[in-house]
Amino acid sequence: GAVVSQHPSRVICKSGTSVKIECRSLDFQATTMFWYRQFPKQSLMLMATSNEGSKATYEQGVEKDKFLINHASLTLSTLTVTSAHPEDSSFYICSVPQGRGHNEQFFGPGTRLTVL
Amino acid sequence: AQTVTQSQPEMSVQEAETVTLSCTYDTSENNYYLFWYKQPPSRQMILVIRQEAYKQQNATENRFSVNFQKAAKSFSLKISDSQLGDTAMYFCAFMRTYSSASKIIFGSGTRLSIRP
Repeated sequence: GAVVSQHPSRVICKSGTSVKIECRSLDFQATTMFWYRQFPKQSLMLMATSNEGSKATYEQGVEKDKFLINHASLTLSTLTVTSAHPEDSSFYICSVPQGRGHNEQFFGPGTRLTVL
Repeated sequence: AQTVTQSQPEMSVQEAETVTLSCTYDTSENNYYLFWYKQPPSRQMILVIRQEAYKQQNATENRFSVNFQKAAKSFSLKISDSQLGDTAMYFCAFMRTYSSASKIIFGSGTRLSIRP
């Protein structure tokens, strides 16, 4: 299956700064990638669907101007948390769908964001 | 809208015992996929088992098997001969079939601890 990497694995930033998280599909060309957020001891919540060459689709309640998604190539999607605040501190995970009907998803190792 | 419910926040069993994790879901779709994912302390999401709704036969993967009751919208996971390495969060998940978005909806998770 697809091998998915994320960079950085963890990042600490000051409140008000912007942070970019990369998600790479290392061996599979992905026209779609997904971004999830996971708060401590909670489940994964889908934030948005990243579409190569077009705008991302955001889930209800997710601010598109705060969480900027760019899917500029078939192997890379980036999530930028703009003007980060402590409440944005979370674990961010991307996934790449693959297979017939996209019936398999391969997850990246995640990025832990801490906003001071 | 689809929902996935896991009613057991935590479970603990002795090594070598059998444990069953419960999951119910709600959907108006007739064709879909159901998954169990494992998230160990490393936070990497690992697919444990997958069930296609149109298949009546319950999926099995070595020590892992499911009891899929489509009419009851129930999808439980049985782990036989549990091992210490099975300690993790387990998420039940739902995905529509052949959806262009192929989004996965996760349950709230069950924290499973295997005692030596």
